[in-house]
Amino acid sequence: GDSVTQMEGPVTLSEEAFLTINCTYTATGYPSLFWYVQYPGEGLQLLLKATKADDKGSNKGFEATYRKETTSFHLEKGSVQVSDSAVYFCALSDQNTGNQFYFGTGTSLTVIP
Amino acid sequence: DSGVTQTPKHLITATGQRVTLRCSPRSGDLSVYWYQQSLDQGLQFLIQYYNGEERAKGNILERFSAQQFPDLHSELNLSSLELGDSALYFCASSSGGQTYQPQHFGDGTRLSIL
Repeated sequence: GDSVTQMEGPVTLSEEAFLTINCTYTATGYPSLFWYVQYPGEGLQLLLKATKADDKGSNKGFEATYRKETTSFHLEKGSVQVSDSAVYFCALSDQNTGNQFYFGTGTSLTVIP
Repeated sequence: DSGVTQTPKHLITATGQRVTLRCSPRSGDLSVYWYQQSLDQGLQFLIQYYNGEERAKGNILERFSAQQFPDLHSELNLSSLELGDSALYFCASSSGGQTYQPQHFGDGTRLSIL
């Protein structure tokens, strides 16, 4: 069945460091891919998405490229800030599996000044 | 503020009881999704409704049921509660029925079973 595998956390970085959070997926069809972010005490917010192969999603300095050949959707940011501290979830939706939505386990990021 | 309202924010009850969680979607959104977030299971998709009809079903137990009303608000009913049902329950909404559309999440209802 469909699934999402995310890099284990927690991740701790210094401010202005480069961030990569790995995400790979398994899907029967051609899924849409998402990154969601959850700040402490809040619900999830969509960070970025890509709906087909080679699409690049970007928002707030974060980027992720839909790589069909490696079934990956890694999240990157060139220079993290303290305010980026949150839990990041990779997710997919696949119409071939009846529109179900699958989330990774989440990666906790802490950015220290 | 996502525009999605969930009530109550916290709920404490005992095993064997029944509770109802409520969700009001963002204005204009027709789809409502329910998720369960727990430490051991992560974020699990439970069910989706679109304009009053069930659209997709995930890992929802038979003890749980949901519905979406004509005014588009939704309720998640949890019965015969067990300790393992303690979790954060999120509702999300989107404008259409396709899951590639962005979902907007509420702040969740924290359910504690004693």
